[in-house]
Amino acid sequence: KQEVTQIPAALSVPEGENLVLNCSFTDSAIYNLQWFRQDPGKGLTSLLLIQSSQREQTSGRLNASLDKSSGRSTLYIAASQPGDSATYLCAVPSGSARQLTFGSGTQLTVLP
Amino acid sequence: DVKVTQSSRYLVKRTGEKVFLECVQDMDHENMFWYRQDPGLGLRLIYFSYDVKMKEKGDIPEGYSVSREKKERFSLILESASTNQTSMYLCASSPIPHQETQYFGPGTRLLVL
Repeated sequence: KQEVTQIPAALSVPEGENLVLNCSFTDSAIYNLQWFRQDPGKGLTSLLLIQSSQREQTSGRLNASLDKSSGRSTLYIAASQPGDSATYLCAVPSGSARQLTFGSGTQLTVLP
Repeated sequence: DVKVTQSSRYLVKRTGEKVFLECVQDMDHENMFWYRQDPGLGLRLIYFSYDVKMKEKGDIPEGYSVSREKKERFSLILESASTNQTSMYLCASSPIPHQETQYFGPGTRLLVL
């Protein structure tokens, strides 16, 4: 059964820092990997989706990389801002590929 | 933009009540999902549906049922609510599951007293 782990569980950084969030998964036979953002009490918003054939995806200040062979993905946030404060979750397809298995998330706080 | 809406943001029910949570998506997606999210346990899949009148159990279906009579609407039913079903419930939809992302609704925070 696919398991997804995110480290660290929480992270606090001063504004302007570059930071990396980590995601690891146990079964490397994945179609893709996704990163989501969740604000307190809200639903999830998709940030980046990396297909299995890709090594990385970029959107603005966000860059996600995928190394299937090692079962790892990283989300790099450049020049962090207080508005980036949220919980970040990674997810991979599992089972019949109709469902996602989520990590438990990294709660990011960017201090002004 | 894809829009997934959930019927209530907050809901308070009593133990033993029958509870309906409704989810509607406006993008003609084939697949719809119900998750619950709890601190320390993350998101867990309750049920999903890949077509009208079709459903499959997720990881934690006990105590829940679902209904999908129309493509755009997926309902989660708690037949007899219990306090351990107090949680945040999230609905999502997607087209082809392994090629596209899932789009989430805003969530329903359910409190069972």
